[in-house]
Amino acid sequence: DTAVSQTPKYLVTQMGNDKSIKCEQNLGHDTMYWYKQDSKKFLKIMFSYNNKELIINETVPNRFSPKSPDKAHLNLHINSLELGDSAVYFCASSPRQAGLAKNIQYFGAGTRLSVL
Amino acid sequence: AQKITQTQPGMFVQEKEAVTLDCTYDTSDQSYGLFWYKQPSSGEMIFLIYQGSYDEQNATEGRYSLNFQKARKSANLVISASQLGDSAMYFCAVILTGGGNKLTFGTGTQLKVEL
Repeated sequence: DTAVSQTPKYLVTQMGNDKSIKCEQNLGHDTMYWYKQDSKKFLKIMFSYNNKELIINETVPNRFSPKSPDKAHLNLHINSLELGDSAVYFCASSPRQAGLAKNIQYFGAGTRLSVL
Repeated sequence: AQKITQTQPGMFVQEKEAVTLDCTYDTSDQSYGLFWYKQPSSGEMIFLIYQGSYDEQNATEGRYSLNFQKARKSANLVISASQLGDSAMYFCAVILTGGGNKLTFGTGTQLKVEL
């Protein structure tokens, strides 16, 4: 059983389109995240949700909108895709417990988005 | 804002040898957590090891150990008895207490294990 699963694994689309990436975790974690990895492999957080509540919203264009229907799911919707959105997007989850040691983040396999 | 520095963009090591991947961080916080992740060519991010800023002993997980020097703000990853399957990108990351569990990553070190 995959702990954090993302779909699709690959996404190729035209500029201007709207697309969604889905993420599900079966670890029973309360907190979920979206990270973006650019072409130079640099990873940066985009959003974090704790029990369906947005707790981190980094400087991300409004075209990106996360949605958490329940604490096991965190989807990412992107409007009006641009060339610069091409990247690998990772979903992650962690338990929400006191102390950093228990907040290990477990990542999905990533979604490679290519905007043409 | 905290900054993570990995000065080795690429490293080579012979199979069965040990290798150290460097990581330094810059934060004025006293409470934080340090993490190492592995990203093989297949692309997934795999958690390897964790060190808390108040942990007195260096963390170890199998062949992975963390050389934590708090005063120097360094958290180097040591991989013992390297295997071909260790060839991957390795990322150091930090979380600050109260920072919303936001992982801040370094730029990574590409490790190649050779026969």
